[in-house]
Amino acid sequence: SQQGEEDPQALSIQEGENATMNCSYKTSINNLQWYRQNSGRGLVHLILIRSNEREKHSGRLRVTLDTSKKSSSLLITASRAADTASYFCATVPVERPRNSGYALNFGKGTSLLVTP
Amino acid sequence: IAGITQAPTSQILAAGRRMTLRCTQDMRHNAMYWYRQDLGLGLRLIHYSNTAGTTGKGEVPDGYSVSRANTDDFPLTLASAVPSQTSVYFCASSPQPGQGMEQFFGPGTRLTVL
Repeated sequence: SQQGEEDPQALSIQEGENATMNCSYKTSINNLQWYRQNSGRGLVHLILIRSNEREKHSGRLRVTLDTSKKSSSLLITASRAADTASYFCATVPVERPRNSGYALNFGKGTSLLVTP
Repeated sequence: IAGITQAPTSQILAAGRRMTLRCTQDMRHNAMYWYRQDLGLGLRLIHYSNTAGTTGKGEVPDGYSVSRANTDDFPLTLASAVPSQTSVYFCASSPQPGQGMEQFFGPGTRLTVL
């Protein structure tokens, strides 16, 4: 079952602009991860933020986490055409379904298009 | 190059046929996963394995089986394919099963069942 829900579903911006994607989730988590998927490729891990962290940076990426609102945001600054991809948030709930191991629950993703 | 490989890259299969999707990793990761990705539904877990010799069912296991005879390989078998199994299948691994583990994904297998 989907734990995360990304917003917006699709985003189109020009190179140099910032892109912000949001993720809401339903149950308590220990951490939240963001992944990128280029068209026709597998997912690539971008960043992980723990439940006791509020903000984390990695290069042009900034992730925030608000556990009281059960939401996270991913900001890509100074976007480039190469950032065109789908972005997914993923969580492992603290209380996991019995049949899930430690598999990630993914949202449906935000499709980002960066035009030159 | 270390990572996960999947084979085949794509396959068109007649309904009722048996098919095995292969997944191999050379990172000595203990945990492995099979997801399917469908438009509008995101990624859903089919089966998982926390360590060699053990497997578990995920969210959508019906019609699929897995085995984990060793650390490196985690094949997914469709015993009798049906059109609803048309999807893109991703294998993933993580160093250990557990919270906060980054997962590494293979390139995917695009399967069409006619």
